[in-house]
Parts: sequence; structure tokens; C-alpha cells
Amino acid sequence: GENVEQHPSTLSVQEGDSAVIKCTYSDSASNYFPWYKQELGKGPQLIIDIRSNVGEKKDQRIAVTLNKTAKHFSLHITETQPEDSAVYFCAASIGSASKIIFGSGTRLSIRP
Amino acid sequence: NAGVMQNPRHLVRRRGQEARLRCSPMKGHSHVYWYRQLPEEGLKFMVYLQKENIIDESGMPKERFSAEFPKEGPSILRIQQVVRGDSAAYFCASSPNRESGELFFGEGSRLTVL
Repeated sequence: GENVEQHPSTLSVQEGDSAVIKCTYSDSASNYFPWYKQELGKGPQLIIDIRSNVGEKKDQRIAVTLNKTAKHFSLHITETQPEDSAVYFCAASIGSASKIIFGSGTRLSIRP
Repeated sequence: NAGVMQNPRHLVRRRGQEARLRCSPMKGHSHVYWYRQLPEEGLKFMVYLQKENIIDESGMPKERFSAEFPKEGPSILRIQQVVRGDSAAYFCASSPNRESGELFFGEGSRLTVL
């Protein structure tokens, strides 16, 4: 069935180091892969997305890679800062209905 | 340009009562999605609506839950005869069209069932 798996569930990194979060998806027809950041008590905010016609996309300290053959995609945050601490969700579009389903989330903590 | 507006932000109901959650999408957006988030868990898809149409309700429980997005006014998620297990944060998101895929989320409505 439709599924997006996300790892790790928690991640703690030293300020200034890099953080990597990985996701896999099951639907071969998925063609849109967004990443959301959710701070405590807030709604998720889109931070970067990638479509299936590209393999990598970068926006300042954030980058996303996509491997369609292996059905996995990853979020990379470089030079982490305290304000990067939050829960991050990967997601994937499902079929032609544009339904978006989410991974279970990664709680990222940045150690000062 | 105002973002997605959800109200109420917090709602307390006793078991057996009804809960109504409202969502006004961003200006110009005609597609609305509802998600449920339990504490410390991810976002679970519930329903996808367009104006006056339910496009995909595969994530909606078969009983007690319903959703609508009328021609005029906000989208409504209605939960009848609430039970303690309905306690969660309910998020609404809107999108300008089906092809975009990009969702803009509201701040959520937190339902507590006593």
C-alpha cells in the first residue's frame, strides 16, 4: 500500500555539523517530494521540495537528493544552527490524485 | 495575503458531543486537505476536497467523521459523538491546484475530548 518511511526518528548533532534525514516511498507513480519543518505548537512549513525530473536541489544550507530507482530521498542540512531544531517530515505524492502522505517525522536537536 | 486560517485553535468537548473545525484556505486556493496528528506522531491524511466536491476521502474513518467544502464559506471537518481517541491536532492545508502538490498549512485545531 501507500507508505513513506522516515529515519531516524530522533537526531542530535553538534552545532555547525551536518544533519541527514532519509526517506523511502512505495508508490512508483510518486513524482513530488516535499520536506516540511514543524516547530512546537505550529503547523508544518514547506522548506524545500523536489520533483521526479531532477536528482538534486539546493537552497542555501538545505539540499535534497532523490533516487527514483531506489525510491529514496534525503534531506541534508549543513552548518546546523540552534534554530534548525524542530521536527522534520518528508512526504510524497500518491498517484494522480495529488494526495500527499507524510513520513513519521524526525526530531532534530542541535547541541550548542 | 493571509495564510490558511483555522478555528477554533483549541476545542474541548465531552464524550458524545460534536466537534466542528473550520478552515479558510489561502486566497485563490480551491483545494483543501485535512490531516490528523496525534501527539509525537506524523500527519495522517484524512480527506482532500475541492469546492463542492470530495476528491479523496480514503483516510476518513467510516463513521462519525464528515467533511465539506461548500461553494461559499470555509471547509468544515465535523466529528459527531466524539470519543477520547479523537483527541488530536487537526491540520488543514490548501493548494492552488491539483498539479502543484505544494501544501500551505494552517496552525491547526487542537481537540481535547474529556
